[in-house]
Amino acid sequence: KNEVEQSPQNLTAQEGEFITINCSYSVGISALHWLQQHPGGGIVSLFMLSSGKKKHGRLIATINIQEKHSSLHITASHPRDSAVYICAVKPPRGNNNDMRFGAGTRLTVKP
Amino acid sequence: NAGVMQNPRHLVRRRGQEARLRCSPMKGHSHVYWYRQLPEEGLKFMVYLQKENIIDESGMPKERFSAEFPKEGPSILRIQQVVRGDSAAYFCASSPLQGGSPLHFGNGTRLTVT
Repeated sequence: KNEVEQSPQNLTAQEGEFITINCSYSVGISALHWLQQHPGGGIVSLFMLSSGKKKHGRLIATINIQEKHSSLHITASHPRDSAVYICAVKPPRGNNNDMRFGAGTRLTVKP
Repeated sequence: NAGVMQNPRHLVRRRGQEARLRCSPMKGHSHVYWYRQLPEEGLKFMVYLQKENIIDESGMPKERFSAEFPKEGPSILRIQQVVRGDSAAYFCASSPLQGGSPLHFGNGTRLTVT
């Protein structure tokens, strides 16, 4: 079993819909990252969080440390949001080379 | 301020040839990480380097793979005698510090071994 599990694996939505992507992890962590991988391949860091909630534009990330679960929400989704979203966790006292990555959720937003 | 630059974007090699992947970190970043991404799988850590030093190579196969980050110039991931199973996307990331600083990723190099 992977240490970081994401669901769903694939997600198709209509433009304007509210999107939720889930990440569950089985190890203790010091931080959780959400990354976005564009169709062209580049990876962008969206959020780094260790508790609570963060918001950036239409993106919201939440984390529940007790339940070892995080969600990434996209409000008013748009076709340009189509990408692979990757959850990654860093163990306590771990460094960037210790990060564990989920397999990603492929989101397609149709106009 | 240029981001992490990787080249080439696409690389095709025949079995048995050598592949050299280059990564120039963001300006001011002295920590470089290489990851491999296989189709339908998550990123897997390969090696972590600082200038002129390999800090952690626990994720890199012992045979055929090597990495360096010289005092001058980009970091190089070298794969000798490539096999079909080496076909993957290879990503480089950099950070200014270890520990809590976020990673900045490059666009990756897609290696295809024919």
